Amino acid sequence: NAGVTQTPKFRILKIGQSMTLQCTQDMNHNYMYWYRQDPGMGLKLIYYSVGAGITDKGEVPNGYNVSRSTTEDFPLRLELAAPSQTSVYFCASSYLLAGEADTQYFGPGTRLTVL
Amino acid sequence: EDQVTQSPEALRLQEGESSSLNCSYTVSGLRGLFWYRQDPGKGPEFLFTLYSAGEEKEKERLKATLTKKESFLHITAPKPEDSATYLCAVQAEVRGKLIFGQGTELSVKP
Repeated sequence: NAGVTQTPKFRILKIGQSMTLQCTQDMNHNYMYWYRQDPGMGLKLIYYSVGAGITDKGEVPNGYNVSRSTTEDFPLRLELAAPSQTSVYFCASSYLLAGEADTQYFGPGTRLTVL
Repeated sequence: EDQVTQSPEALRLQEGESSSLNCSYTVSGLRGLFWYRQDPGKGPEFLFTLYSAGEEKEKERLKATLTKKESFLHITAPKPEDSATYLCAVQAEVRGKLIFGQGTELSVKP
């Protein structure tokens, strides 16, 4: 199993450009997540999905969009890049049953710079 | 408000010098507390899940413990390869989503 994979590893965007961060998991997990990590800060949840076709906002969703058409894939879309979106983005997944603790497994991250 | 605070922010040890990292939390009903290791430029790697006060888990030189207000990650006789940032996260019963601390950056010198 490759686990959680993310592409690209690095990207530089100009203000106002758009891009999609890709995330794929091969563990048949039902839940998938997008986080951002800024220096000295904890991971912040952007969006999450409980299954194909179902997504919901996390703590910091503004400026981002997601979709989940399959169990395996959960892309994150930035429509109009802003310098405040410069960060490291992590995708995670878990197999979560109701009432259980949510042990999440993370991808290697995408480092995004907006200039 | 649910909150997680890790201390110290950074810790420098000599090889073989045992120590502990702290994770203090405030949450309305704990479903789980998680420890992750993160190497520079990599994603967090899962270490432990703790569910209730009094629980302990071990992996090689690491032992995680849990009380009703905090968790400790004890590192016994650390080696340079234990150098990393250690992240703590809690999951509340009601809110359900993981809340992460800011991490403790551990450096072990030979």
